[in-house]
Amino acid sequence: AIRMTQSPSSLSASTGDRVTITCRASQGISSFLAWYQQKPGKAPKLLISATATLQPGVPSRFSGSASGTDFTLTISDLQSEDFGTYYCQQYYTYLYSFGQGTNLEIK
Amino acid sequence: EVQLVESGGGLVQPGRPLRLSCTTSGLTFSDHAMNWVRQAPGKGLEWVGLIRSQTYGGTTEYAASVKGRVTISRDESKSTAYLQMNSLKVEDTAVYYCTSSTSELPLAPLDIWGQGTMVTVSS
Repeated sequence: AIRMTQSPSSLSASTGDRVTITCRASQGISSFLAWYQQKPGKAPKLLISATATLQPGVPSRFSGSASGTDFTLTISDLQSEDFGTYYCQQYYTYLYSFGQGTNLEIK
Repeated sequence: EVQLVESGGGLVQPGRPLRLSCTTSGLTFSDHAMNWVRQAPGKGLEWVGLIRSQTYGGTTEYAASVKGRVTISRDESKSTAYLQMNSLKVEDTAVYYCTSSTSELPLAPLDIWGQGTMVTVSS
């Protein structure tokens, strides 16, 4: 099974900041990497698919990139509504697997 | 509008079975794989398994943590997917989400989610 190692587990940032969340795959997954945002008590929401493709309606301050098996979610110009937990997920092969999550707090 | 609605959660004793349902609307059910993802209280997301669309054989895949204890099935006539869980353990306590993709490809990100149903395993 492919293991997804996500970091940091939590971070606190101020509105207007630029934040980066990283996810490392234990083996190559091509570009089959998605990012989700989850707010308390709600289902996850797909933000980015195929490493860098923004889903409709997702603000352009969200972006994704990759270098080998390292994947990055960047939120530029952080807004108050961006709080929540972010997860990466590989869908390169079964079994699908998620990162451990990054809890983002807005100062 | 595409909707997934889970049902069947609740309090169940350890060792007992439970079947969750995921009723869909707004999508051509037969064209889409159906996944189950769970989230234990205060923990992260864990993919449980999936059933492929009929186009891809309707076969199933399961996470190692549940393999042998769960069965995912689908009823095309009811546009409903099921998660049958047997020999439940305390550690199966979680919110269970039904999730799918608007893509009909066999490997796709999960952009459709239900609201989740809580399963509590306790004596």
